[in-house]
Amino acid sequence: SQQGEEDPQALSIQEGENATMNCSYKTSINNLQWYRQNSGRGLVHLILIRSNEREKHSGRLRVTLDTSKKSSSLLITASRAADTASYFCATDEAAAGNKLTFGGGTRVLVKP
Amino acid sequence: EAEVAQSPRYKITEKSQAVAFWCDPISGHATLYWYRQILGQGPELLVQFQDESVVDDSQLPKDRFSAERLKGVDSTLKIQPAELGDSAMYLCASSPGQFGSYTFGSGTRLTVV
Repeated sequence: SQQGEEDPQALSIQEGENATMNCSYKTSINNLQWYRQNSGRGLVHLILIRSNEREKHSGRLRVTLDTSKKSSSLLITASRAADTASYFCATDEAAAGNKLTFGGGTRVLVKP
Repeated sequence: EAEVAQSPRYKITEKSQAVAFWCDPISGHATLYWYRQILGQGPELLVQFQDESVVDDSQLPKDRFSAERLKGVDSTLKIQPAELGDSAMYLCASSPGQFGSYTFGSGTRLTVV
C-alpha cells in the first residue's frame, strides 16, 4: 500500500519557471524524503526532512513539512530541462521500522 | 561514489519460467531492500533484510517469490514461475541504518511474455 499521495500527478512547465509538487501522508513519521527518477532508471535521493523540521533547502530545492496537516511540498526553482523526471515522496513511518513507503509520484516535464 | 549494483539490467522471460535478479549493496550497509515498481506507479516494498535476516516480507508473494541474502552481503530475488503480471522494474536499495536515506541501484526491467 502507498502512504504518500503526490499532487499533481503530472506537471508541465517552461525552463526557468518554478515547479511545486505536494505530498500528503496518513500516519506519524520519523522523516520524509524526496527522490527523483529519470525514465527507466533507479531513484536518486534528493533531500530528507525530519519530523521536527519545517523547512530544508538544497541548492535549487526547497522542502517544507507540516506534520499537523501531514503534508510536504517540494519546490524546484529556476527549472532546467534536465529536471525533467518523476519525483516521489517517501515516508519513514514511526511504527514501520526503517521502511520507506513511496507515493505514486509527480511526472515533471520542463520544456526548453 | 559508492553504488548499488544490480544485474541484469533487462530481462525478458516467458511466463512459467524462472528468473533471478542479483543485487550488491554498498559495502557496510546493513539494510537491503527489494522494491517492485509497475510502470507509472511508485515503488512498493517486497522484502527488507537486516544483515542476513528478513525483517519484512509481508508484501512478497511467497508462493512464487523468494529472496535471500546469504552472509549479509549481496542478495538474490527469484520468481518461479513468472506470470505476465510480474512485468515491472525491480529495484534494490541499501541503507546504513535507521532513519537515513536509501541508495538505489539502476534496477532490472523484467518483461514477461
